[in-house]
Amino acid sequence: GQQLNQSPQSMFIQEGEDVSMNCTSSSIFNTWLWYKQDPGEGPVLLIALYKAGELTSNGRLTAQFGITRKDSFLNISASIPSDVGIYFCAGQRQGAQKLVFGQGTRLTINP
Amino acid sequence: DTEVTQTPKHLVMGMTNKKSLKCEQHMGHRAMYWYKQKAKKPPELMFVYSYEKLSINESVPSRFSPECPNSSLLNLHLHALQPEDSALYLCASRDRGNSPLHFGNGTRLTVT
Repeated sequence: GQQLNQSPQSMFIQEGEDVSMNCTSSSIFNTWLWYKQDPGEGPVLLIALYKAGELTSNGRLTAQFGITRKDSFLNISASIPSDVGIYFCAGQRQGAQKLVFGQGTRLTINP
Repeated sequence: DTEVTQTPKHLVMGMTNKKSLKCEQHMGHRAMYWYKQKAKKPPELMFVYSYEKLSINESVPSRFSPECPNSSLLNLHLHALQPEDSALYLCASRDRGNSPLHFGNGTRLTVT
């Protein structure tokens, strides 16, 4: 099935650095979601975006719903060790039951 | 803590065994999902129940049989699985409209 283009696939950064990742699609979505998954656990919802142009923060995390409705980005400021994990974007169309997932961004932090 | 509870956390089964995975949510969500996730890959949709009725089956082999006894419970019955079915099985639920999906912590299944 369709997948979103999520980049980068992996990131290796120093503690304290800012992080940026994004997802793009060839078609529009009405909802963009960002999840984080730790090893052996299920994905945890970080931020949900419902409106084109919307910019939403959750602590050190900020996400934006692209104005074209075909992309979204997630920024993490001042990274800390517990930010390590895999981040997935997901898009949802109006009235659809299915989510379309990106391939994930694996974040590794060097202390 | 997740509000979607899955049991067991780990399961090892032989190819001739019959086992069941269980999922429970008490958020009043009307849609419940089963996903399969392989290592380093995104979750892959298997089934969706909406108002306790099966609404999506993503061409899943019949050795996987879902069941929704009521609006809070979702089961996945397993029979005659193959080693390649080993994966993390995730349950999720959501409310109506464009509300986001909430995942459980999954069952790590190993088929020997």
